[in-house]
Amino acid sequence: AQSVTQLDSHVSVSEGTPVLLRCNYSSSYSPSLFWYVQHPNKGLQLLLKYTSAATLVKGINGFEAEFKKSETSFHLTKPSAHMSDAAEYFCVVSVYTGTASKLTFGTGTRLQVTL
Amino acid sequence: KAGVTQTPRYLIKTRGQQVTLSCSPISGHRSVSWYQQTPGQGLQFLFEYFSETQRNKGNFPGRFSGRQFSNSRSEMNVSTLELGDSALYLCASSLAGVPGELFFGEGSRLTVL
Repeated sequence: AQSVTQLDSHVSVSEGTPVLLRCNYSSSYSPSLFWYVQHPNKGLQLLLKYTSAATLVKGINGFEAEFKKSETSFHLTKPSAHMSDAAEYFCVVSVYTGTASKLTFGTGTRLQVTL
Repeated sequence: KAGVTQTPRYLIKTRGQQVTLSCSPISGHRSVSWYQQTPGQGLQFLFEYFSETQRNKGNFPGRFSGRQFSNSRSEMNVSTLELGDSALYLCASSLAGVPGELFFGEGSRLTVL
């Protein structure tokens, strides 16, 4: 079985300050991990992915995430928030069970960026 | 390259009616999956199709069905609509062999009155 927990449902930061969105996962198999972003009334867009290569993954728009197996975490960070980063962010775990891939989405973290 | 296209973007139906939503994947993508997104339940997986075959199915009642055509376009149908079916329905396509790397459409927002 697999699961993903996004530890904060809502995060508020000031523009220009760092962003940290936390994600923990559990999986019986070696997982692939993803972060997606969803702006209002839009579909989801892939930010970055971890697929067992480098543990520090860089994505679009200055975001990055570090896979920490010992902590079963895949937190999303950005050094300096921009107003356009305000959106909902989803952490996703994908596991191949031998017959099919199963995706599990987190419940989302809404990022608010204030002036 | 055109993205994933979903039609219609918005629709309003009444209880008991049925609805068909359409999804055109990115050219070359043979896998199409559908998700239901609501404020209360978040994102829930409906089903996945690959080469016209349903490969995975989520925990939804039989009123929810789908299909995929030979050109990879997909449709989902919801019959006997209920108020609780009001949601944003998202379609995503992906390349075969790259699970988890999904390209989403902007969704079809269904309101059931």
